[in-house]
Amino acid sequence: GESVGLHLPTLSVQEGDNSIINCAYSNSASDYFIWYKQESGKGPQFIIDIRSNMDKRQGQRVTVLLNKTVKHLSLQIAATQPGDSAVYFCAERPNFGNEKLTFGTGTRLTIIP
Amino acid sequence: DAGVIQSPRHEVTEMGQEVTLRCKPISGHNSLFWYRQTMMRGLELLIYFNNNVPIDDSGMPEDRFSAKMPNASFSTLKIQPSEPRDSAVYFCASSFGLAPAKEQYFGPGTRLTVT
Repeated sequence: GESVGLHLPTLSVQEGDNSIINCAYSNSASDYFIWYKQESGKGPQFIIDIRSNMDKRQGQRVTVLLNKTVKHLSLQIAATQPGDSAVYFCAERPNFGNEKLTFGTGTRLTIIP
Repeated sequence: DAGVIQSPRHEVTEMGQEVTLRCKPISGHNSLFWYRQTMMRGLELLIYFNNNVPIDDSGMPEDRFSAKMPNASFSTLKIQPSEPRDSAVYFCASSFGLAPAKEQYFGPGTRLTVT
């Protein structure tokens, strides 16, 4: 079946450095992707999204890159802060109008002060 | 706004017992989603409601799981009988209409442990 997965389960980054979290997806028909942040004891929180007709989208300190050729998604966080420590996971939407997302299992990002 | 409210936050029960998880969506939201999160499978959509009506329950694992939404401000997810493999964190989320997934607001979750 189709799945969304992550390359790295854990990542430690020095405060102030940039971090990159990766995600591989297998459904070539997926048209929409989301990155979520989940802090300990809390529910997932939307960070940024990107549609399949784009290859890059920027937000505040975050950038999502989409490479449809290799079905790869990445989340870049610039100038990391202690509050960025959390689990990050991606999700894909199989087609337009179908809001049943497929979620990855997550990467734990730890910011070292 | 208090956000999505879930109760209990933690539940420990023995195999075979009935478990009821509760959710109060954000006031004014008319769509409600139940998710289950495990280390192995990540976050999975179980069922979602729009205007208190179940729209898609294809994610409900089996007949032991049932969900209801008797009114716009309350929903329950029931597991009867519970099994150890049901141990997970269960999230409720709400949105206005069947909005894109990014506009769903998640509650803090209920951590269920079935022994």
